[in-house]
Amino acid sequence: EPEVTQTPSHQVTQMGQEVILRCVPISNHLYFYWYRQILGQKVEFLVSFYNNEISEKSEIFDDQFSVERPDGSNFTLKIRSTKLEDSAMYFCASRKPSGQQTYEQYFGPGTRLTVT
Amino acid sequence: AQSVTQLDSQVPVFEEAPVELRCNYSSSVSVYLFWYVQYPNQGLQLLLKYLSGSTLVKGINGFEAEFNKSQTSFHLRKPSVHISDTAEYFCAVSDRGDKIIFGKGTRLHILP
Repeated sequence: EPEVTQTPSHQVTQMGQEVILRCVPISNHLYFYWYRQILGQKVEFLVSFYNNEISEKSEIFDDQFSVERPDGSNFTLKIRSTKLEDSAMYFCASRKPSGQQTYEQYFGPGTRLTVT
Repeated sequence: AQSVTQLDSQVPVFEEAPVELRCNYSSSVSVYLFWYVQYPNQGLQLLLKYLSGSTLVKGINGFEAEFNKSQTSFHLRKPSVHISDTAEYFCAVSDRGDKIIFGKGTRLHILP
């Protein structure tokens, strides 16, 4: 069964550094998402992406964050200058095209980001 | 605005006993409802979903949930739990199948 993959599984970075988290969504999916889960807290929506542009973003997704689908297969989340509070598990998710309405988002295994 | 309330942060239950994990939601529009499970050190896996139709939804691993529109609830149940059900369970809501709003999660702790 196809699945969403994410790399790396764990990223450690110093405060102020840029990080790029990578995701490979399921191949025929057209809607892409990033969520994050700070340790011990609930999963929070960051951003949704469709047709090469952001369709919705949360208040967490400020100017330090950006997303990109550079090559038609990868979907990346960039944090320009990391802060301690960016430490979290980041989940990528993807969903089928609108004509195949199941509304199920398939989640990747996550990337644990640790900012020191 | 949508929100999800999971009333119990932790639920201890003996192995082979039944369990119910409670979830209430609020939304001004029709919603899609989900239960996700997160096993220790793993990602999120969909247990079951309610989109429309029958209010009793069956999912994987013997779980089921009932959508109750008048009580705005979507409680998750299993008649007999196993040690392998130890995990965190998240109730979630989406109004268009787009962004998902998650509850804070309920940790299911199976006692031997």
